[in-house]
Amino acid sequence: AQSVTQLGSHVSVSEGALVLLRCNYSSSVPPYLFWYVQYPNQGLQLLLKYTTGATLVKGINGFEAEFKKSETSFHLTKPSAHMSDAAEYFCAVTSKAAGNKLTFGGGTRVLVKP
Amino acid sequence: DGGITQSPKYLFRKEGQNVTLSCEQNLNHDAMYWYRQDPGQGLRLIYYSQIVNDFQKGDIAEGYSVSREKKESFPLTVTSAQKNPTAFYLCASSTLAGLGETQYFGPGTRLLVL
Repeated sequence: AQSVTQLGSHVSVSEGALVLLRCNYSSSVPPYLFWYVQYPNQGLQLLLKYTTGATLVKGINGFEAEFKKSETSFHLTKPSAHMSDAAEYFCAVTSKAAGNKLTFGGGTRVLVKP
Repeated sequence: DGGITQSPKYLFRKEGQNVTLSCEQNLNHDAMYWYRQDPGQGLRLIYYSQIVNDFQKGDIAEGYSVSREKKESFPLTVTSAQKNPTAFYLCASSTLAGLGETQYFGPGTRLLVL
């Protein structure tokens, strides 16, 4: 079975500060990992994903994430927060064995302070 | 523009009533998914379909039913057997061409009980 844990349901950052959202996964087979963003009352939008190859993945809006197999982690970062980054962020995992079915973490809501 | 549409945006259900949520995609995707989102719990898979006229239960299928008569459409019915239907419902679709395919989400339907 696969699972995802996002540490911290709420994160508050100052505008211009580093954004760091933590994601740890559990999977018995090689995982495919995703970060999605959700703005209030909207659907989810893909930020970035890791399937194979380079472990540092760059996404939209200046976000990036690094796959660390030894730590079973896929943390999301952005060097400088912008007010428009205020949203909820979800980490998700799937695998070949899971047949592309995603398992989501509980989400982390980001508040950006001016 | 290609994408996923969900309707209605808000839906109210009376006690003992069945209601149907619409999901349509024009992305020519084979797979479609229904998720339920509750605060602090992330997204949970209700049903999914990888081909027309076939679908499988997800993690929380009890009290829900689906059909897949056309590739473009995957309606979800919330039956009276679902005792706690108040939630935000998200539909998604993806190709099945490879591994770790991205799921694209619709804007969601919020279901409220009167």
